[in-house]
Amino acid sequence: DADVTQTPRNRITKTGKRIMLECSQTKGHDRMYWYRQDPGLGLRLIYYSFDVKDINKGEISDGYSVSRQAQAKFSLSLESAIPNQTALYFCATSDGEQGYGYTFGSGTRLTVV
Amino acid sequence: KNQVEQSPQSLIILEGKNCTLQCNYTVSPFSNLRWYKQDTGRGPVSLTIMTFSENTKSNGRYTATLDADTKQSSLHITASQLSDSASYICVVSGWNAGNMLTFGGGTRLMVKP
Repeated sequence: DADVTQTPRNRITKTGKRIMLECSQTKGHDRMYWYRQDPGLGLRLIYYSFDVKDINKGEISDGYSVSRQAQAKFSLSLESAIPNQTALYFCATSDGEQGYGYTFGSGTRLTVV
Repeated sequence: KNQVEQSPQSLIILEGKNCTLQCNYTVSPFSNLRWYKQDTGRGPVSLTIMTFSENTKSNGRYTATLDADTKQSSLHITASQLSDSASYICVVSGWNAGNMLTFGGGTRLMVKP
């Protein structure tokens, strides 16, 4: 089983719909992250959480929200999807301040039509 | 603003040949630099991690170098294989709150038979 599992792997949704992307991990890491990847651009941080009670905005949080349901679960929501949110979304975990144990999920390809 | 620039954006080489990918960064203060391999449709996978005091680190046919004075890094791939076809991403971590990562846009490598 993968250490960081993202569901769904692919999703097509309509403009204005609410959608949730889910991430679960078996690494035992406290820190979890959501990134967005657009073609030719580096991954950009949407939200991050250092423990269950900690939620922080990243570089591009507008239009997104997150929920840390447990140490192992971190979900990303698009309240009202728009076409420019079409992208590849990655969840990641890390094991502490140095972040040497950074592990990425396989990604969710989201298309908003 | 912290930035990571990679070159070239894309590269095509013949199987068995060597290649070198470049990374320049402006992240300060610097903590560590990582190279990741990202296969199409998959999450990034770590190849090497180097701290300030490390000049070179190898992982099989992959060798990364770091010049912290000039803020440059390179990834050398020896005797390329078809399976090396992927995007290679340079990622820099700074000594800031949470040691957040700054991602380069990646170099897309295609190895042809």
